[in-house]
Order: sequence, then structure tokens, then C-alpha cells
Amino acid sequence: SQTIHQWPATLVQPVGSPLSLECTVEGTSNPNLYWYRQAAGRGLQLLFYSVGIGQISSEVPQNLSASRPQDRQFILSSKKLLLSDSGFYLCAWSGQGALGSGRANEQFFGPGTRLTVL
Amino acid sequence: DAKTTQPPSMDCAEGRAANLPCNHSTISGNEYVYWYRQIHSQGPQYIIHGLKNNETNEMASLIITEDRKSSTLILPHATLRDTAVYYCIVRVASGAQKLVFGQGTRLTINP
Repeated sequence: SQTIHQWPATLVQPVGSPLSLECTVEGTSNPNLYWYRQAAGRGLQLLFYSVGIGQISSEVPQNLSASRPQDRQFILSSKKLLLSDSGFYLCAWSGQGALGSGRANEQFFGPGTRLTVL
Repeated sequence: DAKTTQPPSMDCAEGRAANLPCNHSTISGNEYVYWYRQIHSQGPQYIIHGLKNNETNEMASLIITEDRKSSTLILPHATLRDTAVYYCIVRVASGAQKLVFGQGTRLTINP
């Protein structure tokens, strides 16, 4: 079965410090990978998605970057954190199948990382 | 921008059916309706999806109007563990399947 891991679960960082959040998926190959952020009391916002190794698409301009060095590894980074980067960061994966194949395009979310920038 | 509108909050008594409405009046012919829910401090969880026919699985039923401009998610026997934010999303398959989350409906199940 497939599983998705994120770490750390919680993180408190000072403004201006770097950030690296890691997400790995097991039990599947060539997944689509996604990074979302949820600010306090807000909905989820898609930050980045990737359809393959080294392929990153950015949805919104921001202080963050993403990389996919391996097929099942997705990393979210920042060189200098801002207060506004605080939030709940979620990684997700989906299969490559066509929508006609039922739940093949369902997105599976990881447990999330709660980041507080002080 | 989300293509759906949902009531911000709803209450339902435990054991009763919870009916969550969603309007998607600008839905295209090749767009599906998806429902996810997010329990506090967890990642969203897939519930169900459909194109034009009503759908049912072990978690819920999805009723889509004939004109596809609205739908209703039905939790037939709500439990306290169903308290969550429920998101209705429409999307078409094109490359990576980006989900655009709106504000959702905060459903509270009362004992």
C-alpha cells in the first residue's frame, strides 16, 4: 500500500532563517506531487506541483521554492523565512491515471508540518 | 479561484443525515465534482467524486442535479467523527490534477 511521510511534524523558526521540509512517498512510482499551505483559519492554497523528477510548477509567487531530486521525494525550501510563511504545510500525491479510471486521480495528503515563524 | 460556493457552516444531530450543498453553476462538461474533508489539524481526505450520475460509496452519497450546476453530499448517519470542513471542488483532468480549495463548509455534528 502507498504511504506518504512528512517531517518534521512541527517547526518553530526565527524570521530570516532557512527552511527545508521533506515529503516522501512509498508504494507507488512516478506520482504527481504537490505542496499546499494553509494559513490559520484559511483554506488550502496550492504552492507547487510536480509531474516528474526535476519538473516543478509554481502556482503563486512567494518566498519559497520546491525541488524533486528523486521520483518519490519532494522538498519545500526557503532561504529566508518571513512571518507570513507561518502555516500548515501539506504534501500530497496522486497517480498518473486518466480521470476515467475512477479514483486514480484522487489526491492523498500527508500528515502535514505546522510551521511557526517568530 | 474556487469555482464552487458552499455555506460556511452547518450543524447536524448525531445519527441524522447530513446534507451539504454545493453550487457550481459554471461547471464545464468535462469537469468532475470532488468532495474532500479536513478534520482539524489533519490533511484533507477524499470522500467521493462524480461526473453526472449519482454516486455512493462506503462514506457518502453524491447527488448531482441534472443540469450539473449543483450537488449535495449526503452523510447518511452522521457521527461525531464526521465533524470537519467539507470541500466541494470541480476540476478537469489535464496533467497534474490541481485541486483548488475554497473555504468549504464547517460541519459540526452535535450529540
